[in-house]
Amino acid sequence: DIQLTQSPSFLSASVGDRVTITCRASQGISSYLAWYQQKPGKAPKLLIYAASTLQSGVPSRFSGSGSGTEFTLTISSLQPEDFATYYCQQLNSYLYTFGQGTKLEIK
Amino acid sequence: EVQLVESGGGLVQPGGSLRLSCAASGFTFSSYDMHWVRQATGKGLEWVSAIGTAGDTYYPGSVKGRFTISRENAKNSLYLQMNSLRAGDTAVYYCARGVLDNSLDYWGQGTLVTVSS
Repeated sequence: DIQLTQSPSFLSASVGDRVTITCRASQGISSYLAWYQQKPGKAPKLLIYAASTLQSGVPSRFSGSGSGTEFTLTISSLQPEDFATYYCQQLNSYLYTFGQGTKLEIK
Repeated sequence: EVQLVESGGGLVQPGGSLRLSCAASGFTFSSYDMHWVRQATGKGLEWVSAIGTAGDTYYPGSVKGRFTISRENAKNSLYLQMNSLRAGDTAVYYCARGVLDNSLDYWGQGTLVTVSS
């Protein structure tokens, strides 16, 4: 099974900061990776698919990059509504594993 | 507007069974793969199952042989039959729509399953 490891698991940042979250796959998955945002008590929301394509309606301060085994999600200038937990998900095989999550907190 | 509404969650004893439903609206249900994803309280997301448009099904090892995903296109409905339930299956269960690359673009609000004696 393909394992995904996100780093860091916790991130403390301030409004206006640029932050980057990394997702590493245990084997190559081409660009079959998605990023989701989840706020407490809510369902996850798709942000990025195909590693770098912004989902419709998602602000352009979110961006994704990478291929193979290393991927990043970048938020260029944190807004108050961005404090949430972020998950990556691999879509390369029919075992659609998620990363363990990165909780982004206000400093 | 795309909507997914789960139902059927509740309290069940270990070893028991439960059937979850997901009512879909606002899109051509038969044209999309559908998924179930679960989340234990305070934990991360775990993919549980998927069903393709042709009825092909997929499961991780943790639920294979115990859970069965199915769909009824005429009723725009997705189901998850869960048997031999364990305490570790306690979670909020979400249904979600899969798109071209299998990312999940719409999610329901979730239904809570509690397995406890």
